Amino acid sequence: ILNVEQSPQSLHVQEGDSTNFTCSFPSSNFYALHWYRWETAKSPEALFVMTLNGDEKKKGRISATLNTKEGYSYLYIKGSQPEDSATYLCAPRDKIIFGKGTRLHILP
Amino acid sequence: GAVVSQHPSRVICKSGTSVKIECRSLDFQATTMFWYRQFPKQSLMLMATSNEGSKATYEQGVEKDKFLINHASLTLSTLTVTSAHPEDSSFYICSASKQGSNTDTQYFGPGTRLTVL
Repeated sequence: ILNVEQSPQSLHVQEGDSTNFTCSFPSSNFYALHWYRWETAKSPEALFVMTLNGDEKKKGRISATLNTKEGYSYLYIKGSQPEDSATYLCAPRDKIIFGKGTRLHILP
Repeated sequence: GAVVSQHPSRVICKSGTSVKIECRSLDFQATTMFWYRQFPKQSLMLMATSNEGSKATYEQGVEKDKFLINHASLTLSTLTVTSAHPEDSSFYICSASKQGSNTDTQYFGPGTRLTVL
């Protein structure tokens, strides 16, 4: 059974500051890692799909890195804005197991 | 593009009744649809994976006779909670995938809050 851990569970960041959080997962039988952003009262939105060790993906101010050998991925947000407030979820595939997420609050 | 709707968004029902939740991909054809439930302060838990025209694959511990899933077309999947009881109260959310592969993006619906009295 996969065990997906996300840390921290909750994070308060001042507007304009940069931040990062972690998704860790078992490194065996790795196929892909998905990151999602889930804003309150909306549907989860796909951010990245990562497959290769050392992968780095970027979407605007948000980027992610992947280490499949040690089983972790980092999500970075540069210059946080209020619209970044959301819960960020990661989920490795083959088996779809979601982490509990990191709830990010941006403080004005 | 890639919008998924879910209906209803909220439902309250009496114990013993059945509830049907619809998941529709509005602007694309979804080969695969996924159904999840989420308990308070817990992660999304995959219940089942359904492919159009075939029987759903249920995760361990999910009763297939309790949670009936139908994926009759490439744009519609339904989840029926049969003989619902208070312990079935939860947040149910679906997602749809064009191909269903490990790298394919899942597009999520907005979810359905089920309360069983």
